[in-house]
Amino acid sequence: DAGVIQSPRHEVTEMGQEVTLRCKPISGHDYLFWYRQTMMRGLELLIYFNNNVPIDDSGMPEDRFSAKMPNASFSTLKIQPSEPRDSAVYFCASSRTGYGYTFGSGTRLTVV
Amino acid sequence: AQSVTQPDIHITVSEGASLELRCNYSYGATPYLFWYVQSPGQGLQLLLKYFSGDTLVQGIKGFEAEFKRSQSSFNLRKPSVHWSDAAEYFCAVGTFQLSFGAGTTVTVRA
Repeated sequence: DAGVIQSPRHEVTEMGQEVTLRCKPISGHDYLFWYRQTMMRGLELLIYFNNNVPIDDSGMPEDRFSAKMPNASFSTLKIQPSEPRDSAVYFCASSRTGYGYTFGSGTRLTVV
Repeated sequence: AQSVTQPDIHITVSEGASLELRCNYSYGATPYLFWYVQSPGQGLQLLLKYFSGDTLVQGIKGFEAEFKRSQSSFNLRKPSVHWSDAAEYFCAVGTFQLSFGAGTTVTVRA
């Protein structure tokens, strides 16, 4: 079991550029979650999927953020255009039952 | 609405001493409670969870937590801390959508 795999680990981009974060959940897990972690706001749930279907995206901060899960083994979180205030660590997590997640190692995004 | 309060932002403990991290929650039904640990630059690792049954829950790395419904608490404990326990600890409540506390940073001194 390779765990939840996120890429890239670090991303530095210029304001206005498109950023795509990737996540591969644990095989057999049918829930996938995207979280954002900042010093000011802590851990925030952005969106979660069940069986590849978005269930709740109320945490997505604005229309610049979008997430997809085209199949059970892959999800993306896209920010277009990116802004400096989007700088954070973005975590993906998955769960078989929805209770108790396994987190990936995160993507540290810096927008300059 | 569900929420979690971790009253202690930072705790310093000597190696070999006991550790207790406090967690208070607000939840409308029977709570599902979790403790996670985050080492610098890493993701969150699940230490233990409580769904129902025995209110004293054993987890990994020698940690345990006790659910007290009357106090709306789920405190984490470890009898003897190791230097490798220095990390940030998060309490969480919920089912599909977890609400996390702000975290408690633990420093271990030699």
